[in-house]
Amino acid sequence: QQQVKQSPQSLIVQKGGISIINCAYENTAFDYFPWYQQFPGKGPALLIAIRPDVSEKKEGRFTISFNKSAKQFSLHIMDSQPGDSATYFCAARSSGSARQLTFGSGTQLTVLP
Amino acid sequence: GAGVSQTPSNKVTEKGKYVELRCDPISGHTALYWYRQSLGQGPEFLIYFQGTGAADDSGLPNDRFFAVRPEGSVSTLKIQRTERGDSAVYLCASSPGTGGEAFFGQGTRLTVV
Repeated sequence: QQQVKQSPQSLIVQKGGISIINCAYENTAFDYFPWYQQFPGKGPALLIAIRPDVSEKKEGRFTISFNKSAKQFSLHIMDSQPGDSATYFCAARSSGSARQLTFGSGTQLTVLP
Repeated sequence: GAGVSQTPSNKVTEKGKYVELRCDPISGHTALYWYRQSLGQGPEFLIYFQGTGAADDSGLPNDRFFAVRPEGSVSTLKIQRTERGDSAVYLCASSPGTGGEAFFGQGTRLTVV
Protein backbone atom coordinates (compact mmCIF):
# COMPACT_ATOMS: atom_id res chain seq x y z
CA GLN A 1 0.00 0.00 0.00
CA GLN A 2 2.86 2.37 0.73
CA GLN A 3 4.94 1.59 -2.33
CA VAL A 4 5.63 3.99 -5.16
CA LYS A 5 6.78 2.29 -8.36
CA GLN A 6 9.05 4.23 -10.72
CA SER A 7 10.18 3.55 -14.27
CA PRO A 8 12.42 3.43 -16.18
CA GLN A 9 15.44 2.63 -14.03
CA SER A 10 17.70 4.47 -16.46
CA LEU A 11 17.13 6.80 -19.39
CA ILE A 12 19.41 8.18 -22.08
CA VAL A 13 18.24 11.20 -24.05
CA GLN A 14 19.86 13.43 -26.65
CA LYS A 15 20.33 17.11 -25.86
CA GLY A 16 17.15 18.98 -26.72
CA GLY A 17 14.97 15.90 -26.39
CA ILE A 18 12.14 15.15 -23.97
CA SER A 19 12.78 13.02 -20.88
CA ILE A 20 9.78 11.21 -19.43
CA ILE A 21 9.75 9.38 -16.10
CA ASN A 22 6.71 7.58 -14.76
CA CYS A 23 5.44 6.66 -11.30
CA ALA A 24 2.47 4.74 -9.97
CA TYR A 25 1.06 4.44 -6.47
CA GLU A 26 -1.56 2.42 -4.61
CA ASN A 27 -2.30 4.37 -1.45
CA THR A 28 -5.26 6.69 -2.09
CA ALA A 29 -4.39 8.63 1.08
CA PHE A 30 -1.39 10.18 -0.71
CA ASP A 31 -2.10 13.87 -1.33
CA TYR A 32 1.26 15.39 -2.26
CA PHE A 33 3.52 14.20 -5.05
CA PRO A 34 6.98 15.79 -5.36
CA TRP A 35 9.84 15.04 -7.69
CA TYR A 36 13.40 15.25 -6.41
CA GLN A 37 16.67 15.61 -8.32
CA GLN A 38 19.83 14.17 -6.86
CA PHE A 39 23.41 14.65 -8.02
CA PRO A 40 26.19 12.29 -6.90
CA GLY A 41 27.30 13.02 -3.35
CA LYS A 42 24.42 15.41 -2.73
CA GLY A 43 21.09 15.14 -1.00
CA PRO A 44 17.84 15.14 -2.98
CA ALA A 45 16.56 18.60 -3.96
CA LEU A 46 12.92 19.38 -4.65
CA LEU A 47 12.28 20.00 -8.33
CA ILE A 48 8.53 20.35 -8.64
CA ALA A 49 5.46 19.06 -6.78
CA ILE A 50 1.75 18.59 -7.42
CA ARG A 51 -1.39 17.94 -5.42
CA PRO A 52 -4.16 15.69 -6.78
CA ASP A 53 -6.65 18.49 -7.36
CA VAL A 54 -4.85 19.48 -10.57
CA SER A 55 -3.89 17.36 -13.58
CA GLU A 56 -0.78 19.25 -14.65
CA LYS A 57 1.79 21.63 -13.26
CA LYS A 58 4.54 23.32 -15.24
CA GLU A 59 7.62 25.12 -13.99
CA GLY A 60 10.02 26.15 -16.70
CA ARG A 61 11.17 23.06 -18.61
CA PHE A 62 9.67 20.69 -16.00
CA THR A 63 6.06 19.46 -16.09
CA ILE A 64 4.21 17.02 -13.86
CA SER A 65 1.22 15.22 -15.34
CA PHE A 66 -1.13 13.63 -12.82
CA ASN A 67 -3.83 11.02 -13.46
CA LYS A 68 -5.80 10.52 -10.25
CA SER A 69 -8.06 7.76 -11.57
CA ALA A 70 -5.10 5.71 -12.81
CA LYS A 71 -3.01 6.60 -9.72
CA GLN A 72 -0.12 7.58 -11.93
CA PHE A 73 2.02 10.67 -12.35
CA SER A 74 4.92 11.54 -14.57
CA LEU A 75 7.74 14.05 -14.97
CA HIS A 76 8.47 15.54 -18.35
CA ILE A 77 11.70 17.44 -18.94
CA MET A 78 11.51 19.48 -22.11
CA ASP A 79 14.62 20.53 -24.06
CA SER A 80 16.76 18.24 -21.91
CA GLN A 81 20.30 19.52 -21.22
CA PRO A 82 23.50 17.72 -20.19
CA GLY A 83 23.24 19.55 -16.86
CA ASP A 84 19.98 17.69 -16.23
CA SER A 85 21.93 14.43 -15.98
CA ALA A 86 21.15 13.22 -12.46
CA THR A 87 18.99 10.71 -10.60
CA TYR A 88 15.33 11.61 -10.32
CA PHE A 89 13.02 10.33 -7.62
CA CYS A 90 9.27 10.56 -7.45
CA ALA A 91 7.72 10.56 -4.00
CA ALA A 92 4.37 10.70 -2.26
CA ARG A 93 3.14 11.82 1.12
CA SER A 94 0.00 10.90 3.00
CA SER A 95 -2.54 13.38 4.28
CA GLY A 96 -2.80 11.44 7.54
CA SER A 97 -0.60 11.46 10.59
CA ALA A 98 2.27 9.84 8.70
CA ARG A 99 4.07 12.84 7.23
CA GLN A 100 7.07 11.08 5.76
CA LEU A 101 7.79 10.82 2.05
CA THR A 102 7.63 7.45 0.32
CA PHE A 103 10.13 7.44 -2.55
CA GLY A 104 10.32 5.58 -5.82
CA SER A 105 13.47 3.65 -6.66
CA GLY A 106 14.90 6.37 -8.89
CA THR A 107 15.70 6.98 -12.55
CA GLN A 108 19.23 7.72 -13.66
CA LEU A 109 18.98 10.23 -16.50
CA THR A 110 21.84 10.82 -18.89
CA VAL A 111 21.53 13.63 -21.43
CA LEU A 112 24.05 13.28 -24.24
CA PRO A 113 25.61 16.49 -25.64
CA GLY B 1 25.00 28.11 6.29
CA ALA B 2 21.32 28.33 5.38
CA GLY B 3 20.82 24.66 4.49
CA VAL B 4 20.56 21.39 6.42
CA SER B 5 24.00 20.41 7.67
CA GLN B 6 25.04 16.84 8.40
CA THR B 7 28.23 15.71 10.08
CA PRO B 8 30.37 13.83 9.45
CA SER B 9 30.08 13.60 5.67
CA ASN B 10 31.77 10.21 5.77
CA LYS B 11 32.15 7.69 8.59
CA VAL B 12 33.97 4.38 8.47
CA THR B 13 33.52 2.15 11.49
CA GLU B 14 34.20 -1.41 12.46
CA LYS B 15 31.45 -3.96 12.85
CA GLY B 16 30.07 -3.91 16.38
CA LYS B 17 31.02 -0.30 17.11
CA TYR B 18 28.69 2.54 18.11
CA VAL B 19 28.22 5.59 15.86
CA GLU B 20 26.46 8.94 16.11
CA LEU B 21 25.37 10.97 13.12
CA ARG B 22 24.46 14.62 13.55
CA CYS B 23 21.91 16.79 11.77
CA ASP B 24 21.61 20.58 12.01
CA PRO B 25 18.27 21.57 10.45
CA ILE B 26 17.40 24.89 8.88
CA SER B 27 16.81 27.44 11.63
CA GLY B 28 13.16 27.62 12.63
CA HIS B 29 12.16 24.34 11.02
CA THR B 30 10.07 22.36 13.48
CA ALA B 31 9.86 19.10 11.55
CA LEU B 32 12.94 16.88 11.13
CA TYR B 33 13.23 13.58 9.29
CA TRP B 34 15.87 10.87 9.01
CA TYR B 35 16.05 8.66 5.91
CA ARG B 36 18.42 5.91 4.84
CA GLN B 37 19.49 5.53 1.20
CA SER B 38 21.13 2.35 0.01
CA LEU B 39 23.12 2.31 -3.23
CA GLY B 40 20.85 2.60 -6.26
CA GLN B 41 17.70 3.00 -4.17
CA GLY B 42 15.40 5.78 -3.09
CA PRO B 43 15.56 7.13 0.45
CA GLU B 44 13.66 5.09 3.05
CA PHE B 45 12.03 6.74 6.04
CA LEU B 46 13.45 6.08 9.48
CA ILE B 47 12.02 8.58 11.98
CA TYR B 48 10.20 11.92 12.13
CA PHE B 49 10.39 14.58 14.84
CA GLN B 50 7.92 17.38 15.40
CA GLY B 51 9.68 19.63 17.87
CA THR B 52 11.49 17.57 20.49
CA GLY B 53 9.35 14.47 20.29
CA ALA B 54 9.53 11.56 17.90
CA ALA B 55 6.15 11.71 16.19
CA ASP B 56 6.76 8.59 14.12
CA ASP B 57 9.62 6.11 14.52
CA SER B 58 8.00 3.32 12.55
CA GLY B 59 10.84 3.22 10.02
CA LEU B 60 13.61 2.37 12.48
CA PRO B 61 14.71 -1.15 11.46
CA ASN B 62 15.40 -2.47 14.97
CA ASP B 63 16.28 -1.42 18.50
CA ARG B 64 19.93 -0.78 17.58
CA PHE B 65 18.78 2.46 16.01
CA PHE B 66 17.77 5.44 18.14
CA ALA B 67 17.44 9.16 17.50
CA VAL B 68 17.06 12.21 19.72
CA ARG B 69 16.29 15.89 19.31
CA PRO B 70 16.48 17.21 22.87
CA GLU B 71 16.06 20.93 22.22
CA GLY B 72 13.95 20.78 19.09
CA SER B 73 16.80 21.74 16.79
CA VAL B 74 19.87 19.52 16.32
CA SER B 75 19.20 15.79 16.05
CA THR B 76 21.50 12.82 16.53
CA LEU B 77 20.94 9.38 15.01
CA LYS B 78 22.60 6.70 17.11
CA ILE B 79 23.42 3.20 15.91
CA GLN B 80 24.60 0.56 18.35
CA ARG B 81 26.50 -2.63 17.50
CA THR B 82 26.82 -1.66 13.86
CA GLU B 83 26.48 -4.34 11.21
CA ARG B 84 27.78 -4.38 7.62
CA GLY B 85 24.16 -4.12 6.44
CA ASP B 86 23.92 -0.71 8.09
CA SER B 87 26.24 0.70 5.42
CA ALA B 88 24.30 3.37 3.53
CA VAL B 89 23.90 7.12 3.18
CA TYR B 90 21.90 8.56 6.06
CA LEU B 91 19.93 11.64 5.02
CA CYS B 92 18.38 14.27 7.23
CA ALA B 93 15.64 16.64 6.09
CA SER B 94 13.78 19.49 7.75
CA SER B 95 10.64 21.44 6.95
CA PRO B 96 8.90 24.49 8.41
CA GLY B 97 5.98 22.34 9.50
CA THR B 98 4.38 19.01 8.77
CA GLY B 99 2.98 20.11 5.44
CA GLY B 100 5.90 22.06 4.11
CA GLU B 101 8.61 21.30 1.61
CA ALA B 102 11.35 19.05 2.95
CA PHE B 103 14.93 20.26 2.50
CA PHE B 104 17.59 17.57 2.56
CA GLY B 105 21.15 17.67 3.79
CA GLN B 106 24.01 16.17 1.78
CA GLY B 107 23.95 13.01 3.88
CA THR B 108 26.44 11.00 5.93
CA ARG B 109 27.94 8.02 4.11
CA LEU B 110 28.36 5.27 6.71
CA THR B 111 30.58 2.32 5.90
CA VAL B 112 30.76 -0.59 8.32
CA VAL B 113 33.79 -2.80 7.72
